[in-house]
Amino acid sequence: KAGVTQTPRYLIKTRGQQVTLSCSPISGHRSVSWYQQTPGQGLQFLFEYFSETQRNKGNFPGRFSGRQFSNSRSEMNVSTLELGDSALYLCASSLVGTGTDTQYFGPGTRLTVL
Amino acid sequence: DAKTTQPNSMESNEEEPVHLPCNHSTISGTDYIHWYRQLPSQGPEYVIHGLTSNVNNRMASLAIAEDRKSSTLILHRATLRDAAVYYCILIGNAGNMLTFGGGTRLMVKP
Repeated sequence: KAGVTQTPRYLIKTRGQQVTLSCSPISGHRSVSWYQQTPGQGLQFLFEYFSETQRNKGNFPGRFSGRQFSNSRSEMNVSTLELGDSALYLCASSLVGTGTDTQYFGPGTRLTVL
Repeated sequence: DAKTTQPNSMESNEEEPVHLPCNHSTISGTDYIHWYRQLPSQGPEYVIHGLTSNVNNRMASLAIAEDRKSSTLILHRATLRDAAVYYCILIGNAGNMLTFGGGTRLMVKP
């Protein structure tokens, strides 16, 4: 079974631009979560999608948004990029996203904002 | 999700057991205790989880205190490949939102 894939793996953007990151979950998984990892803040939850609906949201500004498609693939978008958005963005999928579920993480997308 | 407290770092010798502690004094009755680890330059990976009883799998054992206010991840024989940051996380049943603390950086000496 293929793991969680994320594209692109690396991205360089400039301030003010916008970016879209993609995540393909493990086949059969319906819950997709996104996390931001920075050296200063560690791993922080962005949002979770289940059956095309945002079910949970972390404490990030509205510039961070996401969506999930009917095949469970998910995208996250960051508009008006700031230098502080430079981070590793991780996607994780699980079957239905409950307390007993295991989350499987992708390798991440390394975003650098110049 | 409730907060967890872990030591910043721990050291172990290769082939020896390692006990990684986690305090979660505000855990609720429906919170599951999950452990993930993150190897260098990789995304986190699942290690083990439990609710009330101790759990074993091929990677590790999880010992949960009777009052559930603390737990211990046990690696029976540490290898160099086990050097990673270990995260103890509590998660309820209302959606998958992992709240990562600082974790414990485990260093394994040959």
